[in-house]
Amino acid sequence: GDSVTQMEGPVTLSEEAFLTINCTYTATGYPSLFWYVQYPGEGLQLLLKATKADDKGSNKGFEATYRKETTSFHLEKGSVQVSDSAVYFCALWGLTGGGNKLTFGTGTQLKVEL
Amino acid sequence: GAGVSQSPSNKVTEKGKDVELRCDPISGHTALYWYRQSLGQGLEFLIYFQGNSAPDKSGLPSDRFSAERTGGSVSTLTIQRTQQEDSAVYLCASSLGTPNQPQHFGDGTRLSIL
Repeated sequence: GDSVTQMEGPVTLSEEAFLTINCTYTATGYPSLFWYVQYPGEGLQLLLKATKADDKGSNKGFEATYRKETTSFHLEKGSVQVSDSAVYFCALWGLTGGGNKLTFGTGTQLKVEL
Repeated sequence: GAGVSQSPSNKVTEKGKDVELRCDPISGHTALYWYRQSLGQGLEFLIYFQGNSAPDKSGLPSDRFSAERTGGSVSTLTIQRTQQEDSAVYLCASSLGTPNQPQHFGDGTRLSIL
């Protein structure tokens, strides 16, 4: 079945540092890929998405490129801020199992310090 | 406009009791999903409703779990004879239902089984 693997956290960075959160996936066919973010005390929010190979999703300074050859969708940001502290979930939308659903990774907690 | 609304936000109950969790999706969203987020784990898909089609129940962990969606809008997730391992945050999401549409999440119900 479909699966998503994320790097384990927590990831602790200083403000203005470069961020990479790795995400790889296993899926049949051509899934769509997403990054969701959960800020402290809030619900999940869609951060960005990519629906086909080589697409780049971007939002709020974050980027991720759909790499089919490496089955990856790594999240990057050039300069993080304290306000980026949150849990980040990589997810894929697939059609396995006879239904439509998001398959999530376990989440990566990011802590940004001054 | 209003987002996905879930109630209650917190629920504490004794082992063996039944609980009902409610989700009010975004108006016009035909797809509705329930997920479970357990401590230290990712989001686990539970059930998916799409319009008038039969729901995809493939993620329900046992027959103690059931869900219904009345009138294509509000959904109720019921857990019978609760166990301590049912303690988790239960998240509801809705979307427009067409492939690759982003899911909009509620803030969740934090369920604690004593």
